Amino acid sequence: EAGVAQSPRYKIIEKRQSVAFWCNPISGHATLYWYQQILGQGPKLLIQFQNNGVVDDSQLPKDRFSAERLKGVDSTLKIQPAKLEDSAVYLCASSLEKGTLFGSGTRLTVV
Amino acid sequence: GNSVTQMEGPVTLSEEAFLTINCTYTATGYPSLFWYVQYPGEGLQLLLKATKADDKGSNKGFEATYRKETTSFHLEKGSVQVSDSAVYFCALSEYGGATNKLIFGTGTLLAVQP
Repeated sequence: EAGVAQSPRYKIIEKRQSVAFWCNPISGHATLYWYQQILGQGPKLLIQFQNNGVVDDSQLPKDRFSAERLKGVDSTLKIQPAKLEDSAVYLCASSLEKGTLFGSGTRLTVV
Repeated sequence: GNSVTQMEGPVTLSEEAFLTINCTYTATGYPSLFWYVQYPGEGLQLLLKATKADDKGSNKGFEATYRKETTSFHLEKGSVQVSDSAVYFCALSEYGGATNKLIFGTGTLLAVQP
């Protein structure tokens, strides 16, 4: 079975610029997550979707971060404007009953 | 709130040594427990899981037992290989379901030397 696809793999932007990440989950997986993994830390949930509805976005900095999941399949995560502390790996994951599977992530560097 | 604490690394072992990476958790209810592994340059991969007390998860020679009385889920392997070098994350799933969010520990870097 195909894995969770993410793009781009790497992105370097200047602070105050905007950036967007894309995720295509495993076919049939209704639940999709975006996690933020800062260097030296474990991943932290930003937002969870069930189909195209938001289940949990309590940790999403809504003044600068936004996410959508149109038609309950692909998802995009946007940051506008970016700050230095947003430098991290952004992981997309999707799940069914047997567990949560992660994509390879997008490594964002804000300079 | 719910949390996971795991031993700090790096852990450096010689090939064929015994491995233990400690993990303890704080949770309300009955969470599921997981170990994920992140090899250099790759994404997180599920290594093993346990969904209830006294369950033992196992995969690729790694084992971990869900101990409710000590709120622990320590990862063990009898004989490590160089290819096991990676970062290992302990995690719990709130509410116990596979489709619920994961709370991760900070990760433990394992370096195995030949």
